[in-house]
Parts: sequence; C-alpha cells; structure tokens
Amino acid sequence: ILNVEQSPQSLHVQEGDSTNFTCSFPSSNFYALHWYRWETAKSPEALFVMTLNGDEKKKGRISATLNTKEGYSYLYIKGSQPEDSATYLCAFYGQNFVFGPGTRLSVLP
Amino acid sequence: DAGVTQSPTHLIKTRGQQVTLRCSPKSGHDTVSWYQQALGQGPQFIFQYYEEEERQRGNFPDRFSGHQFPNYSSELNVNALLLGDSALYLCASSFIATNEKLFFGSGTQLSVL
Repeated sequence: ILNVEQSPQSLHVQEGDSTNFTCSFPSSNFYALHWYRWETAKSPEALFVMTLNGDEKKKGRISATLNTKEGYSYLYIKGSQPEDSATYLCAFYGQNFVFGPGTRLSVLP
Repeated sequence: DAGVTQSPTHLIKTRGQQVTLRCSPKSGHDTVSWYQQALGQGPQFIFQYYEEEERQRGNFPDRFSGHQFPNYSSELNVNALLLGDSALYLCASSFIATNEKLFFGSGTQLSVL
C-alpha cells in the first residue's frame, strides 16, 4: 500500500508571513506529483502538476519544488493572505492517484 | 462551460440500504474517477472509468460498484451500507486516463445512520 504523507497537519500563520509544507511519497514507480488547493465549501482545484526531478513551478505567490529521487515535494507560499486559507493536498500518481491527508493552512489577518 | 457536477449534495441513509451517486464530467473529459474522503484523511481512490469500463480500482470492497454511460457521466453505487461508509464522495474528471490534472465536483456528503 503506497503511503503519501504531508506535514505539518495544520498551521496558523499571520498575514504577510511566508510558509512552506512538505509532501513525502514513494520514490519508485513515479509518474507525477500534483498539488491541489481545497477551500472550505468548494471543490479541490489543481495548483501544479510536476513530473520531472528538479521541477520548480510557480503561480503568483505560490511555488513548488520536486525531488523524485528522495521522494518529496515542497509547497511555498510567499506573503500569505487570508484568501490562502485552505487545505493543501498533494497526490502521487503511479498507477493511480494516492492523496496525502493534506495540510490545513489558516492565515490570520 | 460547466464544470464537474455531482448529485445529490447531501444524502442520509440507514445501514443496509443501497445508494447511487451521480457525476457529470467537465465538458470534453472522458474519464471519471471516484474518491471517498473521510474526516481527517485525504481522498481515497475508489475506481476510475474510461470508455464505459472500470480501468482501475482502489482497495474497496465489491459493495462499491460503478458505471459510465456513453455521454461519459458516471454513477457510484454502494450496496449494504455500513456506518463506516459515511463520508464525502468526490468525483473527478480528466481527459483520457492520464496523469493530467483532475477537475473535481463539490462532492456528495453521505451519512449512514
């Protein structure tokens, strides 16, 4: 059974702080790593799809890196805003998608 | 352009009953996957449908079954409901069974009493 872990489970930051979280996944049979943002009462939305070791993706204040050899990905948020409050899910794609439990981020104004 | 739509949004059933959940994929998508999301966990893969066939299946019992129609919409059926089946059921669509990003519906919240 594949195990995808995320840390921390939750965190609270002040508006303007930068933060990052980790996704750990198996380093074998890797095809892609996805990041999704899931706001309360909405549907999960894709942030990034990463496939190559060393990939770095950026979308506004949010960026992500990928290390497939050691099996981890970091998601960074620069200058957090209250609208960034959400659960951030990573998903490992080997034969099918295996999601981590998510990191719940609360940005306090 | 309609996104992924799921129905119903909420459902209450009792143990032993059967339930059918429905999903219409995003326009242009031909692949539908179903996920179960229990409290405090990430979405768990149930199965994926492509070309009206179940292509992949996660670690769920045979009580969970599905169907995909020629218009690519899909149903998830759960028989002999257990209390532990209470969860949010998410449908996600994509184009062809690849690792491209998933588009999710808002989910069906199932409560089994």
